[in-house]
Amino acid sequence: EIVLTQSPGTLSLSPGERATLSCRASQSVTGRYLAWYQQKPGQAPRLLIYGASGRATGIPDRFSGSGSGTDFTLTISRLEPEDFAVYYCHQYGTSPLTFGPGTEVDI
Amino acid sequence: EVQLLESGGGLVQPGESLRLSCAASGFTFNNFAISWVRQAPGQGLEWVSAITGSGHSTNYVDSVRGRFTISRDNSKNTYLQMNTLRAEDTAVYYCVRHNGQNGGCLDFWGQGTLVTVSS
Repeated sequence: EIVLTQSPGTLSLSPGERATLSCRASQSVTGRYLAWYQQKPGQAPRLLIYGASGRATGIPDRFSGSGSGTDFTLTISRLEPEDFAVYYCHQYGTSPLTFGPGTEVDI
Repeated sequence: EVQLLESGGGLVQPGESLRLSCAASGFTFNNFAISWVRQAPGQGLEWVSAITGSGHSTNYVDSVRGRFTISRDNSKNTYLQMNTLRAEDTAVYYCVRHNGQNGGCLDFWGQGTLVTVSS
């Protein structure tokens, strides 16, 4: 099983600042099959990034993903008030599919 | 518009069974795999089970293999039959579409249905 570790656990920032979230895998993620999701309280997760760097439909370009192998990054260039949420990374290349524990971005 | 609507959650006692349903609309159902992903209260996400678009292949996380069964029909429904439920199965269960027939990322999520296992 591929274990995903996210850091930091909590990121305290202000609107307009840059957020850098890290996801590290216990072994190489097949085919860069790494996604990022945003989840707000009481809501289902929403796909932001797939294939490590592809932006999902309707996602603003302030969200970007990068990385390969075992190290991946989600960057939010300038935080908007609606971006304060929990972010999960997810690998879907190897069964069982696994998720990281999440990074909370708060004010 | 892609929509996934879960139903069937509720309160059950340990050892009992429950069947979750997911009604899909807005896309060609047989072209996409479907997964169930759960989230225990205040916790992170855990993938539970997946079924390919054809319905011919299924997969499970070890903790539910042998107790849960995923299936789908031609009426755009996906099911999760959950037997011998345990307290640790308590969670919101999301029905989620993959972006391909045999897998891929999880691109559309339902709103979830809560399963509570407690005596």
